[in-house]
Amino acid sequence: GENVEQHPSTLSVQEGDSAVIKCTYSDSASNYFPWYKQELGKRPQLIIDIRSNVGEKKDQRIAVTLNKTAKHFSLHITETQPEDSAVYFCAASKSFGNEKLTFGTGTRLTIIP
Amino acid sequence: EAGVVQSPRYKIIEKKQPVAFWCNPISGHNTLYWYLQNLGQGPELLIRYENEEAVDDSQLPKDRFSAERLKGVDSTLKIQPAELGDSAVYLCASSARGQGYEQYFGPGTRLTVT
Repeated sequence: GENVEQHPSTLSVQEGDSAVIKCTYSDSASNYFPWYKQELGKRPQLIIDIRSNVGEKKDQRIAVTLNKTAKHFSLHITETQPEDSAVYFCAASKSFGNEKLTFGTGTRLTIIP
Repeated sequence: EAGVVQSPRYKIIEKKQPVAFWCNPISGHNTLYWYLQNLGQGPELLIRYENEEAVDDSQLPKDRFSAERLKGVDSTLKIQPAELGDSAVYLCASSARGQGYEQYFGPGTRLTVT
């Protein structure tokens, strides 16, 4: 089955700096890669996703890149703000998301004011 | 639109007792998922429904866990009997084909088994 690895497990950055979280996946059939943000005690919420036919996607301060050959994808957050502090999960799925999501182990991001 | 609704939000039971969780997906979403999230970990799929059919239950511990989705809408996940290791958050999610495939998660039920 699919295996998703995520690094780092914790990340602290100064407010205004950029944060990068990296994930690798094992199943070349995976074609949908979402990123979820989960605040303490809250539900995971989708912040951005990318499909295998796209190499990069951006939404305001958030961007995701995908390298299918190397089987890795990354989340980039620029101009970080205190409200970006949360746990971020990457995930991978086949059938463009209509099958199960296999999640990484999460990255706890702390923005230092 | 209303999001995915789950109840109860919290449940504390003694080991060997039964427990049930309820999920109401977003209206029109034909795919429903139950995930288990242990503390400090990402969610792991327990079972996936397409309408009323369980199409992926390979990760569901069938000796003690059961689920149903009557009429292809609401779903119930049951544990009987509960064990200490079942303490976790049980998340329900739903998605609709042809609408971006995003899985929308409910708030979860935090189960504590004592």
